[in-house]
Amino acid sequence: GAVVSQHPSRVICKSGTSVKIECRSLDFQATTMFWYRQFPKQSLMLMATSNEGSKATYEQGVEKDKFLINHASLTLSTLTVTSAHPEDSSFYICSAKTSGTTDTQYFGPGTRLTVL
Amino acid sequence: GENVEQHPSTLSVQEGDSAVIKCTYSDSASNYFPWYKQELGKRPQLIIDIRSNVGEKKDQRIAVTLNKTAKHFSLHITETQPEDSAVYFCAAMGVGRDDKIIFGKGTRLHILP
Repeated sequence: GAVVSQHPSRVICKSGTSVKIECRSLDFQATTMFWYRQFPKQSLMLMATSNEGSKATYEQGVEKDKFLINHASLTLSTLTVTSAHPEDSSFYICSAKTSGTTDTQYFGPGTRLTVL
Repeated sequence: GENVEQHPSTLSVQEGDSAVIKCTYSDSASNYFPWYKQELGKRPQLIIDIRSNVGEKKDQRIAVTLNKTAKHFSLHITETQPEDSAVYFCAAMGVGRDDKIIFGKGTRLHILP
């Protein structure tokens, strides 16, 4: 099946710094990528939908100036957590899908962010 | 927008018995319903999915049923094994270009020896 990678897998940063997370589709072109956040023992909450070459669409309650998303190519989307605070500590997971009739989304392995 | 409810939140079954997880969705336009299994610290893994033009689908020990009229869908795992212990999420996908997948809150399944 299709492979989606994320980098880094784990990051620890100080409060106030910015962190960039990359999501790559390795063997297919992802016209749409999604970013989720998962707190411990909770479900995946959709943060935003990212289409290549256009601005991301953010879910209600997600601050677009805090969570910057760039989908610059058909294989790469980045999520930057700006001025991170301890409450931003979470598991961030991306998923990707191709255009066309298939509904399947392929998930990345996730990035564990810890803000001290 | 779409809202997915999932029950129960925790389920314990004896090894070899069956497990059933139930979900409801709110948007009648949703037409794709995947189920994911997630182990601690790992990505969700798609285990089975069903589209709205089908009422039931089976893959070995796993089956999913869909009742479009009632907007219910369920996951059935038969002959449960220890490796089935995990968190299971149902989801529904809205119709449209973005095709957002909305997840239920999850069910933690414990298989008891």
